[in-house]
This record gives sequence, C-alpha cells and structure tokens, in this order.
Amino acid sequence: KNEVEQSPQNLTAQEGEFITINCSYSVGISALHWLQQHPGGGIVSLFMLSSGKKKHGRLIATINIQEKHSSLHITASHPRDSAVYICALNAFGNEKLTFGTGTRLTIIP
Amino acid sequence: DTEVTQTPKHLVMGMTNKKSLKCEQHMGHRAMYWYKQKAKKPPELMFVYSYEKLSINESVPSRFSPECPNSSLLNLHLHALQPEDSALYLCASSQDTGALGTIYFGEGSWLTVV
Repeated sequence: KNEVEQSPQNLTAQEGEFITINCSYSVGISALHWLQQHPGGGIVSLFMLSSGKKKHGRLIATINIQEKHSSLHITASHPRDSAVYICALNAFGNEKLTFGTGTRLTIIP
Repeated sequence: DTEVTQTPKHLVMGMTNKKSLKCEQHMGHRAMYWYKQKAKKPPELMFVYSYEKLSINESVPSRFSPECPNSSLLNLHLHALQPEDSALYLCASSQDTGALGTIYFGEGSWLTVV
C-alpha cells in the first residue's frame, strides 16, 4: 500500500463547478504539500499544511491530522485550473518528500 | 524573486554526448534538489544538496553527475545516457532540508536521449 493515496485519479468537470481532491496517508507527518503541475512541466507549490485550513484565492486546503486526510478544494473552477494536482508529504524523521500519484483535473468551458 | 530557473528547457542528446542541465535560484535557499519525472508518474528524487554539499544520492547511476558550484547554482552533468533516461528533470530549492518550508520547483528540462 502506498504511503500517500489520492482520489480521484482523473476528474472532469464543467466550468464553475466546486472541485474536491482528496489525499489520504498512512504515516505520521510533519507537513503536507499541495502542488500543481501544468502540461508544460513546471510545478507550483500551492499550500504547505501541518494543521487546520488555508485559503488562497479560489483554493482552499484542509488537513485532519487524526484522520490522516487532506482535501484540496477549488471554488468557481475555470479551464485554467486544468492541471495535475499532487499531494506530497514530509513524514516524521524523513526530510524527503513522498509524492502521491496525482489527480488529473480537466475543466471544460 | 521566488523563481527557480532551469536551462535548457529542451535538450536532445545522443548516447555518446556530454551535456549539462543548469539550475539557479536567488532566494537564499540552502537546500537544492534534482528530481526525475517520467510521463504520468510523480517526481523521483535523485540528489539533495544541503549547504553546497551532497547530502542525499538516491543510488543514481554515475552517468548523472551533480555539481553545486555555489549556493545559487546547481548543475547536473550528463554523459553516456541511455534512451530510458529520457524524462523531465526538475530542480527545486527550499530554505533548508531540516526546516519545514515551501519547496520551489523550476519549469523543468525536457531531456530526450536518442
């Protein structure tokens, strides 16, 4: 079993819809990252979380440490949000990032 | 400046060539990373430099040779690569390997070995 599981693997939605991407993990962590990767290749760091909730524009990230679960929400989705969203975590005692397999999001105009 | 700059964006090289990928950041970060990413897979860590010293080598073949000339620059020297080495190579940096903080990635270098 992978240490980091993301769901869904693929998600297609209409412009304007509310989007939720989930990340579950099985190890103790010191931080969890949400990353965005566009087809061009570059990765953008969206959030780093160790507890609670963070908001930036139309993006909201939450984490429940007890349940070992995090969600990334996108409100009023737009075609430019189409990308791969990756959950990555810093496990306790491990400075390396462990990556999820990513969620491919497509927003249709 | 919150950018990690990678050059070249695209590189095609033969199996006997020697080439280099370059990475630069001016955020004062002391940790720099090389990742390899194959299509539809998550990035795989190759090397970590901490304070200009190699701290992690994830059993990468010696045909990949990293170099950190100073705190802002990170190179990846390539020699005698194989077609299966074709991938996206991502550079990243963070404040420190031990301190938790945002990790910044470059746009990547698309490498094709022919």
